[in-house]
Amino acid sequence: QKEVEQNSGPLSVPEGAIASLNCTYSDRVSQSFFWYRQYSGKSPELIMSIYSNGDKEDGRFTAQLNKASQYVSLLIRDSQPSDSATYLCAVTTDTGRRALTFGSGTRLQVQP
Amino acid sequence: EPEVTQTPSHQVTQMGQEVILRCVPISNHLYFYWYRQILGQKVEFLVSFYNNEISEKSEIFDDQFSVERPDGSNFTLKIRSTKLEDSAMYFCASRGGSTGKGTDTQYFGPGTRLTVL
Repeated sequence: QKEVEQNSGPLSVPEGAIASLNCTYSDRVSQSFFWYRQYSGKSPELIMSIYSNGDKEDGRFTAQLNKASQYVSLLIRDSQPSDSATYLCAVTTDTGRRALTFGSGTRLQVQP
Repeated sequence: EPEVTQTPSHQVTQMGQEVILRCVPISNHLYFYWYRQILGQKVEFLVSFYNNEISEKSEIFDDQFSVERPDGSNFTLKIRSTKLEDSAMYFCASRGGSTGKGTDTQYFGPGTRLTVL
């Protein structure tokens, strides 16, 4: 059974701080890793994708992947109240079909 | 920017009735997916569809469910006889090419909230 684990939170950070969100996955053949943001009652919205070990930066977001530890994280710099949402970690393992396996999400609250 | 669209946004039905949820994937995409999210729970994979056939399905996707691409643009999910536990948000997603890192990304539609009474 493929599992993706996240701390459900809420993770509360003050405005302007760095928010650190973590995710572990159980299937060692996982190939592609995604962070989605989901506002309440809305659909998942892609934030970042990462495929290789190391860091990948996009604006205020940095994704970090460590395949040996089966760990992926998302850092949000200069957090804004508008970043308050649930952040979903998702992984795929198959080469063709690529169905996403989601974690249960971490709820982030950015306090003004 | 191209986006996935879904109709209706909210569907209310009686238990035992058939429902059809509709999706229009991004036009040049090749892979199509249905996911569901029961309130307060994680997003769960239902089925993937490629080249006019199901390529993978989860254990949730039993005989009550079916998918179809009736024309070049629509992608539908049919639930034949709805149960109370089918109440959830249903998301359609699509992605582009067959291989290559840049084509992995799945783009989600806004969802259909299905309420079974």
